[in-house]
Parts: sequence; C-alpha cells; structure tokens
Amino acid sequence: DAGVIQSPRHEVTEMGQEVTLRCKPISGHNSLFWYRQTMMRGLELLIYFNNNVPIDDSGMPEDRFSAKMPNASFSTLKIQPSEPRDSAVYFCASSNRGTRTYEQYFGPGTRLTVT
Amino acid sequence: GDSVTQMEGPVTLSEEAFLTINCTYTATGYPSLFWYVQYPGEGLQLLLKATKADDKGSNKGFEATYRKETTSFHLEKGSVQVSDSAVYFCALTEKGGSEKLVFGKGTKLTVNP
Repeated sequence: DAGVIQSPRHEVTEMGQEVTLRCKPISGHNSLFWYRQTMMRGLELLIYFNNNVPIDDSGMPEDRFSAKMPNASFSTLKIQPSEPRDSAVYFCASSNRGTRTYEQYFGPGTRLTVT
Repeated sequence: GDSVTQMEGPVTLSEEAFLTINCTYTATGYPSLFWYVQYPGEGLQLLLKATKADDKGSNKGFEATYRKETTSFHLEKGSVQVSDSAVYFCALTEKGGSEKLVFGKGTKLTVNP
C-alpha cells in the first residue's frame, strides 16, 4: 500500500494568501485526521472525519481554517487568509474504525511557511 | 480530561546504552496505549501498543508494559542504536471509545556512536 499521501510537501506563501493542503488516506480506511505540529504547542488534532463526515472539529483554531472530505479518498484543509502564526507542519492520518484498534497511520506532512 | 505526561527531553545516550522513556497517563476507563516514533522529516509511525492491563507491546527491540496500578506505559530498549535517534510520543485513546488519540509532548532521543 502507498500509505497516506499528502501534498504539497512544502508550501511557502505570503500572509493573506489562501493555502490548500491535500490528503489521500489509505484505501479502505474510513477515518481521517488532520493534525498540526509546532515546537511551541506540540501535536494538536484539528479535526477528524468518519465515513467522510466531520465528527469533531473542536481543534480548528478559528474560522480561517476549514476542512472537507468530499469522498473516501480525498480531503483538504484550507486556510484563508493565512497568517505567519499558521506556520507549522500539518499531518494527515487515517485509520480503519472497523478494526477497533485505533491505530492511526500518518502521512509525511506538509511544512507550511507563511511569511 | 484524559492526559499523557512524558519525561522531559532531550535524552542523549551512547550506542548500546539502556533506554527508558517514562510515560504516565490520566484517564477514565481503560484506554489503549501507544508509542509512536517520528524520525527526522517524517510523519509519526506506530511503534507498539497495548490494549489492556498487563499487556506488553514490543517491536524492534522496544518494549512497554501497560501498568494500570501505576498508570504508566514506560518505553524501554536494552541496547540503543544510532538509528533509534528520533522523537518518541506516548498516546492513549480518549474515553468513550472515541477514535481520538491524546498525545504526550514527545521526547527527543539522540544516540551517539
């Protein structure tokens, strides 16, 4: 299996621009998670989906952030407008809820720099 | 709420030294416990897990035992290698059967030759 795929791997943008991060989960997995990792705050869960439906978005920092999962094989995390404090590594992870083992498989991450 | 506390890092060891990274947790019920590892520039990878009290998870020479009486899940390895240099995260499942994982802050391990 190819594992969780994220794109782009690196993104540099200017403050105020829109940023879209993309994720393709492992085939057959029905849960998808978006995380943000910074030195100051560590690893934070932003939102997670089950069967393409958002279950918990309590970690989304503010209205500038939005996430969608239009189908089982694709999800996006959008930041509009971006700010320097959004600079972080964003990870996508997927799991198969049916196994009830709760193991999450992480992608390689997108390193976002907002100048 | 549920939480995980890991020992502060960074930890620096010489090759072949014994490793212990402490992890304690606070949770209601009986969570599953995990250790994840993050190598430089990569995402987190599951290292080992334990789903009930007294279970021992093991992988790649690493071990951790689910201790309910001390609410701990310490990670150990008898002889570390340079290739074990990474950040290690302890995690648990949130109560109520949620799929959410609660992560510790991570412990950075550096192994010198």
